[in-house]
Amino acid sequence: ETGVTQSPTHLIKTRGQQVTLRCSSQSGHNTVSWYQQALGQGPQFIFQYYREEENGRGNFPPRFSGLQFPNYSSELNVNALELDDSALYLCASSLYHGGETQYFGPGTRLLVL
Amino acid sequence: QQQVKQSPQSLIVQKGGISIINCAYENTAFDYFPWYQQFPGKGPALLIAIRPDVSEKKEGRFTISFNKSAKQFSLHIMDSQPGDSATYFCAASIGSGSARQLTFGSGTQLTVLP
Repeated sequence: ETGVTQSPTHLIKTRGQQVTLRCSSQSGHNTVSWYQQALGQGPQFIFQYYREEENGRGNFPPRFSGLQFPNYSSELNVNALELDDSALYLCASSLYHGGETQYFGPGTRLLVL
Repeated sequence: QQQVKQSPQSLIVQKGGISIINCAYENTAFDYFPWYQQFPGKGPALLIAIRPDVSEKKEGRFTISFNKSAKQFSLHIMDSQPGDSATYFCAASIGSGSARQLTFGSGTQLTVLP
């Protein structure tokens, strides 16, 4: 059984650019959630994907968007990057029905200059 | 009402001592309370979790105590070891037959001195 994987591990972008982060869910899991973790803080929920559709969203602007693919992998896209978008972006996978536990990947560290 | 408040922000414990981290929540609809452990440069890893119909859950050296009436829960780490030095997050979620979103506390940085 493979765990949650994310790519890339680190990324440096400049303000105004766009970025795409990728996540492969744990084997057998059909739901992917994305979280933003600023330095020294707890993760904040961005959104969740199930059956290739957004299934819940936190307090993040529309320039944060996502996709889920038929194999349950997912992408997080952020447009018009701002300095405050610098953070660790975490992907977590789980089961939609009855899956209380979310399993996190190692994250992608994004630095916006 | 979605907040989970965690304390202390940092904690220093001697090897063999007991580490205690506390969390409080407002939303009584929360029905699942996990604790995550995070090492630098890594993603959070599930440590132990509890449902509100149970007052205590123990797994090895880790125990969750849950007080539903006070809307508080805590993590106790017995016989703390230097390898336990990490950041600990409490969290809460709501689920009614569907997928859940986690609301995290702000984290506690635990240092266990050798």
